[in-house]
Amino acid sequence: ETGVTQTPRHLVMGMTNKKSLKCEQHLGHNAMYWYKQSAKKPLELMFVYSLEERVENNSVPSRFSPECPNSSHLFLHLHTLQPEDSALYLCASSQDVEIYNEQFFGPGTRLTVL
Amino acid sequence: AQSVTQLDSQVPVFEEAPVELRCNYSSSVSVYLFWYVQYPNQGLQLLLKYLSGSTLVKGINGFEAEFNKSQTSFHLRKPSVHISDTAEYFCAVSDPGGSYIPTFGRGTSLIVHP
Repeated sequence: ETGVTQTPRHLVMGMTNKKSLKCEQHLGHNAMYWYKQSAKKPLELMFVYSLEERVENNSVPSRFSPECPNSSHLFLHLHTLQPEDSALYLCASSQDVEIYNEQFFGPGTRLTVL
Repeated sequence: AQSVTQLDSQVPVFEEAPVELRCNYSSSVSVYLFWYVQYPNQGLQLLLKYLSGSTLVKGINGFEAEFNKSQTSFHLRKPSVHISDTAEYFCAVSDPGGSYIPTFGRGTSLIVHP
């Protein structure tokens, strides 16, 4: 257990569906991250939040919409996804982003878009 | 921007044999270097990190890595592997002069055979 939980662990959705991924950290960290992990590709950083404010957005399509209501929770809202969006979506947290701090990862949500 | 090259996508090895997983990064300026491990159906877990000081870094589970600035490498080694070491291993680099958020390589799948 890393102190970062993600739900659901598996999700299958059609291209017209709307769904949300949830991440919760119990570590008292101030920074949270969404990553996309596709087979045999480098981990892709999608979004970074620091103290509930988005500090980085790496040219992610608008069909992915993050939300950080407080420092413990992070959501990724999904709508009108494409089959190529099928991947493992990982959430991570760290104490903060201003200096080096170890990232702690959740187990991920395996997303399949039909 | 930093980039990370993991030359081997898959490394098969027999139990109790030594193993080396290779990692090269793009820049010769000051860097922070990391190795993460991902066991099946789990998120990433930090194995070890180099921030400064001794170039030989020891991590968890008997792994170690050596920072070689002239060759811009940070290879991971273990003198005797176990079946339980079967996992995906990711090398990552961050630039302390820029963003502390690491850039990840594509990963190396270590497969330990009995």
